Amino acid sequence: NAGVTQTPKFQVLKTGQSMTLQCAQDMNHNSMYWYRQDPGMGLRLIYYSASEGTTDKGEVPNGYNVSRLNKREFSLRLESAAPSQTSVYFCASSEDVGGLRSYEQYFGPGTRLTVT
Amino acid sequence: SQQGEEDPQALSIQEGENATMNCSYKTSINNLQWYRQNSGRGLVHLILIRSNEREKHSGRLRVTLDTSKKSSSLLITASRAADTASYFCATDVGIGNQFYFGTGTSLTVIP
Repeated sequence: NAGVTQTPKFQVLKTGQSMTLQCAQDMNHNSMYWYRQDPGMGLRLIYYSASEGTTDKGEVPNGYNVSRLNKREFSLRLESAAPSQTSVYFCASSEDVGGLRSYEQYFGPGTRLTVT
Repeated sequence: SQQGEEDPQALSIQEGENATMNCSYKTSINNLQWYRQNSGRGLVHLILIRSNEREKHSGRLRVTLDTSKKSSSLLITASRAADTASYFCATDVGIGNQFYFGTGTSLTVIP
């Protein structure tokens, strides 16, 4: 099993350019997440998808859009990149949620994005 | 924000010593998890403790949870150089499977 994979690993964009970050998982998880990690800020949730066909905003959704293409894939799109979006982006997945039960999240290796 | 905060921000110890890091959070939680992140890598789940548990062990890891103080601690016993990493606590918000991550403790274990 590859677990959670992300592409690309590195990306440099100019202000105003657009791009899509790809994420895929092969663990048959229903839930998928996109986080950004900035120095001294920890991880902040951008968007999440509790199941195929559903997406919800997290803590910092502005400037981003997501697509849950199918159960395996969850993409993050920056329509018009800004320097403030320079960050490391992590995709994660987890098993179903039920009541108060929670499950560990499995993380991809990250995408390092620089916007100049 | 319900973000947890780890303390200390950085910790440097000798191999073989114990490492203790703490996490404080602001609101009631269902669960709390600890993750490790090696430099340049994704996070790896270490241990989950539920709100009705007070202590949990996994190998050299010991986690405690004090819901009255809204705090948790992670103890790594007999540390090794390979334990060098950043450690994050993550608290749930009771909505789906969303977690808020803290800012992390950077642990350096000197051989």
